[in-house]
Amino acid sequence: NAGVTQTPKFRILKIGQSMTLQCTQDMNHNYMYWYRQDPGMGLKLIYYSVGAGITDKGEVPNGYNVSRSTTEDFPLRLELAAPSQTSVYFCASSPATGGSEKYTFGSGTRLTVV
Amino acid sequence: DQQVKQNSPSLSVQEGRISILNCDYTNSMFDYFLWYKKYPAEGPTFLISISSIKDKNEDGRFTVFLNKSAKHLSLHIVPSQPGDSAVYFCAASPEYGNKLVFGAGTILRVKS
Repeated sequence: NAGVTQTPKFRILKIGQSMTLQCTQDMNHNYMYWYRQDPGMGLKLIYYSVGAGITDKGEVPNGYNVSRSTTEDFPLRLELAAPSQTSVYFCASSPATGGSEKYTFGSGTRLTVV
Repeated sequence: DQQVKQNSPSLSVQEGRISILNCDYTNSMFDYFLWYKKYPAEGPTFLISISSIKDKNEDGRFTVFLNKSAKHLSLHIVPSQPGDSAVYFCAASPEYGNKLVFGAGTILRVKS
C-alpha cells in the first residue's frame, strides 16, 4: 500500500544545477499536485494536473516545469536552481471525483540550494 | 497576500485539556474548509472538513466550527492527547474538490 512515493527525500544542489523530483502514485488518481512549503508559510501550489497529458500552473510556477505522460507519474523539474527554491516539496494526488479530503500526500523532498 | 491565515505559530496544552486552533480566511469564494495534520518527516494527512452550508462538524475528539460572517474557523480537540502533537494546517477550496489553499500551520504541543 505505497500511496504517493517521492524521491529523493533529501538533496543539496548548487546554484544553476538542475534536477527532477520524482512523484509516483499507485491509487489510479487522476489529479496530482506539487506544493512547496517554506518556513512559516503554508503549502503553496506550484503545478497541478487533472490527467495524463494535462498540466496547469498553480500559485508559484516560476522556475519549475512538469509533465504528466502517465496517470502514475508527475515529475517536477528545476532547470536552473536558485537559493529561493530551497524548500520542502510535497506531491499529492486525489481522485477525479470526491472531496479535497481525499488528497494523499507523499512524505516530501527537502531541497537545499547553495 | 495570504488568503488563509493561522496567526498562532504554536500552541502548548496540557494533556486532557481542550486545544483550540484558529484560522481566518479572506476569500469569500471559499466553499469548503479542511484541517490537515502533519508529523515530522511525513506528508500532511486529512483530519476533518466542513462545507460552507454547515457551522459545525464533529468527528470523535475533533470538532470544526465555521463562522462565515467572520470568515473564521476553529478546530477543537477534546481531550488533547500527547499523540496529537503535530503541525495543523487549515486549508480552503473555492469549490468542492481541488486546488487547496493552505495556511502557515500551527504547531501543537500536548504536554503529559
